[in-house]
Amino acid sequence: GESVGLHLPTLSVQEGDNSIINCAYSNSASDYFIWYKQESGKGPQFIIDIRSNMDKRQGQRVTVLLNKTVKHLSLQIAATQPGDSAVYFCAEILAGFQKLVFGTGTRLLVSP
Amino acid sequence: DAGVIQSPRHEVTEMGQEVTLRCKPISGHDYLFWYRQTMMRGLELLIYFNNNVPIDDSGMPEDRFSAKMPNASFSTLKIQPSEPRDSAVYFCASRAGQGRKAFFGQGTRLTVV
Repeated sequence: GESVGLHLPTLSVQEGDNSIINCAYSNSASDYFIWYKQESGKGPQFIIDIRSNMDKRQGQRVTVLLNKTVKHLSLQIAATQPGDSAVYFCAEILAGFQKLVFGTGTRLLVSP
Repeated sequence: DAGVIQSPRHEVTEMGQEVTLRCKPISGHDYLFWYRQTMMRGLELLIYFNNNVPIDDSGMPEDRFSAKMPNASFSTLKIQPSEPRDSAVYFCASRAGQGRKAFFGQGTRLTVV
């Protein structure tokens, strides 16, 4: 199917720790994989993306890893801060850069 | 730019009533997406438009739901008649061409009683 799937687990970390959020996807034909952050009461916000022909991309404090062999995507957040507390979604762009489909999200809780 | 603007922010209506949700995309964006978010089903893509034309409405749950985009700066999602199971947060998002960044509105929280 087209779904990018993960149940909604909760990851609890201490401030300053590194966080790793994982996602399994099912569609091998996706063009891009994207991570979004959703804070309470707000719409999702773009964090970082990776093209399907890459296996790693780094941003500011975030790194996305793509393993196409096992259809696995991860988001690494360095030196996690309380402001990083949110629900994180992985998403795919399908059908030639058109359709944007989301997974079910992971809640990240950062304790001071 | 003010971003994607959705109205109303909150809507409470009685079962059977018609509900219209509104979205103003970011100027210049040619893709517009409507999503529904619930705890049970997460973020579901309902329909998306390209250059005001509906491209894929396979996510629209049933005939009670309809969406229009009469021009590049306005879209509506209508539910008629509404049912309690339609209660959710509805998001609109827009994107420029083949860019990967979709920008979301603040959402409309719909409660059908």
